[in-house]
Amino acid sequence: GQQVMQIPQYQHVQEGEDFTTYCNSSTTLSNIQWYKQRPGGHPVFLIQLVKSGEVKKQKRLTFQFGEAKKNSSLHITATQTTDVGTYFCAGRNFNKFYFGSGTKLNVKP
Amino acid sequence: SAVISQKPSRDICQRGTSLTIQCQVDSQVTMMFWYRQQPGQSLTLIATANQGSEATYESGFVIDKFPISRPNLTFSTLTVSNMSPEDSSIYLCSVVPSGMGDTQYFGPGTRLTVL
Repeated sequence: GQQVMQIPQYQHVQEGEDFTTYCNSSTTLSNIQWYKQRPGGHPVFLIQLVKSGEVKKQKRLTFQFGEAKKNSSLHITATQTTDVGTYFCAGRNFNKFYFGSGTKLNVKP
Repeated sequence: SAVISQKPSRDICQRGTSLTIQCQVDSQVTMMFWYRQQPGQSLTLIATANQGSEATYESGFVIDKFPISRPNLTFSTLTVSNMSPEDSSIYLCSVVPSGMGDTQYFGPGTRLTVL
């Protein structure tokens, strides 16, 4: 069945260091979304990528969709303590949404 | 965007009982979903709540255990029936507003503990 895996599962960084999480799908996706979930909170939408090879930026966050539309990445430049949380990718294949396993980011001040 | 509320926010229930969770949206939405999230885990889709027809359940979830109602385009309920400790989890509803692509907006969640 459809699987969406994320690596790494956990990442501990010092404030100011960069961070990258990778999302890989077993099948081609129509699009991909990224969500952030703070501890104790619910997932909050960050961005959606639709086109093959698409790159989008939000301040210190850079999102990329692979050429084959089966993988994606989220890169955070110069992390801050406010970046703490779990980052999920989610993809749509036909009428179903599949969430990645998530990457939990901890930022040490 | 959409503003979503869920009731209750948390509950502690006894084994064998049932709990109904409500999800209310501030605007009409076509797509509404129910998810389960175990502590420290990802989100697992339980079902798609369809307005005016039976919900569409994912593999591993059945209507008898998780009956869902969707009487209109702004409201849905999920019932967790005949609960066991394995049902302890966070239950979240989400919606995809019209014209927002596949962007999902999540409710605050219901934290369920079954003793």
